[in-house]
Amino acid sequence: QSALTQPASVTGSPGQSITISCTGTSSDVGGYNYVSWHQQHPGKAPKVIIYEVSYRPSGVPSRFSGSKSGNTASLTISGLQAEDEADYYCSSRTSANTRVFGTGTRVTVL
Amino acid sequence: QVQLVESGGGVVQPGKSLRLSCATSGFTFSSYGFHWVRQAPGKGLEWVALIWYDGSIKYYADSVKGRFAISRDSSRNTVYLQMSSLRADDTGLYYCARDQETIATSGIDNWGQGTLVTVSS
Repeated sequence: QSALTQPASVTGSPGQSITISCTGTSSDVGGYNYVSWHQQHPGKAPKVIIYEVSYRPSGVPSRFSGSKSGNTASLTISGLQAEDEADYYCSSRTSANTRVFGTGTRVTVL
Repeated sequence: QVQLVESGGGVVQPGKSLRLSCATSGFTFSSYGFHWVRQAPGKGLEWVALIWYDGSIKYYADSVKGRFAISRDSSRNTVYLQMSSLRADDTGLYYCARDQETIATSGIDNWGQGTLVTVSS
């Protein structure tokens, strides 16, 4: 199972909106609404910020939103804040009932 | 609150074995599936294995199939990862994670803090 494809880095200024893409195939992202997004600050454990494509766990700010079109899922951060600087990973169920993560995206806030 | 605490990591020689544990608390253990996810130093997340709520179904990444075994003990509310024939590329931080569902379909909703495994002679 190959990793889902994400851009290596995305940069934005405070207050701007950025979008991170996560591209897979019809055997993972395109085949199921079981895409999640995880935020990881340096030296910390990951934290889920989006599950089942577009749902936010309790406590996650509303500036984080998720969507999916075909084989590509997206995470949008609206009103970028300094504390959003972190690594972001998408994840999907696969047709083999396993899981696959994306290659990861480093978000930098200027 | 939900707690997942990994232990058992350490330095091990290539070809040897190691067992990781994930002690859980703060929820009904038997109602959830679990995953192990690893992260090599400076690299991204790699899914390793999952187990259903009752231990009846297990799935593995191709990179560990036949070498690693996931299990669970309801009497101890603990999930295990038995690792054998360890290789240098198994080095990394191993996270235990809870799935939202019994059959581990929906995705991870809670992560542990990880335990470090180093495979080196």
